[in-house]
Amino acid sequence: AQSVTQLGSHVSVSEGALVLLRCNYSSSVPPYLFWYVQYPNQGLQLLLKYTSAATLVKGINGFEAEFKKSETSFHLTKPSAHMSDAAEYFCAVSASTGGSYIPTFGRGTSLIVHP
Amino acid sequence: DVKVTQSSRYLVKRTGEKVFLECVQDMDHENMFWYRQDPGLGLRLIYFSYDVKMKEKGDIPEGYSVSREKKERFSLILESASTNQTSMYLCASSPIIGTQHFGDGTRLSIL
Repeated sequence: AQSVTQLGSHVSVSEGALVLLRCNYSSSVPPYLFWYVQYPNQGLQLLLKYTSAATLVKGINGFEAEFKKSETSFHLTKPSAHMSDAAEYFCAVSASTGGSYIPTFGRGTSLIVHP
Repeated sequence: DVKVTQSSRYLVKRTGEKVFLECVQDMDHENMFWYRQDPGLGLRLIYFSYDVKMKEKGDIPEGYSVSREKKERFSLILESASTNQTSMYLCASSPIIGTQHFGDGTRLSIL
């Protein structure tokens, strides 16, 4: 079985401040891990993904995430928030169960950016 | 670029109606998915399909059915719509292992 926990349904930062969105996962086999972003009235789009290569993964729009197996974490960071980063962010885990890779999503974290 | 197209952005139906939500992808992906998204609950998987005519139940299949007659098209059917099915519905496609690509969603209201 696999699961994802995103700590904090809302995170509020000032423009220019560090962004940290937390994600912890549970998986009995080595997983693939994803971060997606959803802007208002749109579907989800991929920010970045971990597929067992480098543990530090760089994505679009200046975001990056670090896979830490010992902590079962895949936290998303960005050094300096921009107003355009305000959106809903979803962490997802995908691991093989009977040959299928069906992602499980966290409940999402809404990022609020103040001027 | 992968494109996943959902037939309607907004839809209003009445209780008891049979409702069809259509999704088409243009990248020959094996997997297709239907989710519903509700505030505070994230994405919940309704059904997925890994091949034509193949389907598997997700976490919340009750009240829904699906159809995949062609590889590029995956339909979600609400057999008898109820008010608790008012939600945002998202379709996605992916290769066997890989990134999901999402449509823009259908906001469905059942009156």
